[in-house]
Amino acid sequence: GAGVSQTPSNKVTEKGKYVELRCDPISGHTALYWYRQSLGQGPEFLIYFQGTGAADDSGLPNDRFFAVRPEGSVSTLKIQRTERGDSAVYLCASSRGDQETQYFGPGTRLLVL
Amino acid sequence: AQKITQTQPGMFVQEKEAVTLDCTYDTSDQSYGLFWYKQPSSGEMIFLIYQGSYDEQNATEGRYSLNFQKARKSANLVISASQLGDSAMYFCAMRETYSSASKIIFGSGTRLSIRP
Repeated sequence: GAGVSQTPSNKVTEKGKYVELRCDPISGHTALYWYRQSLGQGPEFLIYFQGTGAADDSGLPNDRFFAVRPEGSVSTLKIQRTERGDSAVYLCASSRGDQETQYFGPGTRLLVL
Repeated sequence: AQKITQTQPGMFVQEKEAVTLDCTYDTSDQSYGLFWYKQPSSGEMIFLIYQGSYDEQNATEGRYSLNFQKARKSANLVISASQLGDSAMYFCAMRETYSSASKIIFGSGTRLSIRP
């Protein structure tokens, strides 16, 4: 079956702009996660959804970052007033339920100029 | 706080040889899960193998096995008969079962290069 998909695959923006990153999880997966991976490092947790609600948003770095999952499927990560330090690969993962193995998408490479 | 340590930033291995990638972890929880993921140059994180803290047997998946030594808090990945396609970054990761919900903590990774 289809895996996790993420769009766009690459995004170049200017400092101060607003961006949206989209994640389409594996069909039937109720749990969805966002991670951020900086160059040369492992992914870092941002936020976790169970259904439509954010069950854990402790990894969001500040209030410029926000994520939604209004219908319990597709999720959008929103970054306001982007900064150069936001440049990274943003990875989305999904799992059948809480505590199940997480399967990752290909990521969105964000570059803030 | 939970932590994953991978002490080998890079490794070179001859094709067809076995290779062990080191991983140690730190947690105060009794119940947790350990994972290994592969990240090729394309960027996608590929799930390889999982070990639960209460599993008595070491996990195996094809050419991958996890050498789980609970007392030493180590979860090394062993790849048998390495292939050129095994060249990638490898991340060890941990999830505590009862605290911190479902988030996974990753190590810094090991870059594995297979020589023909």
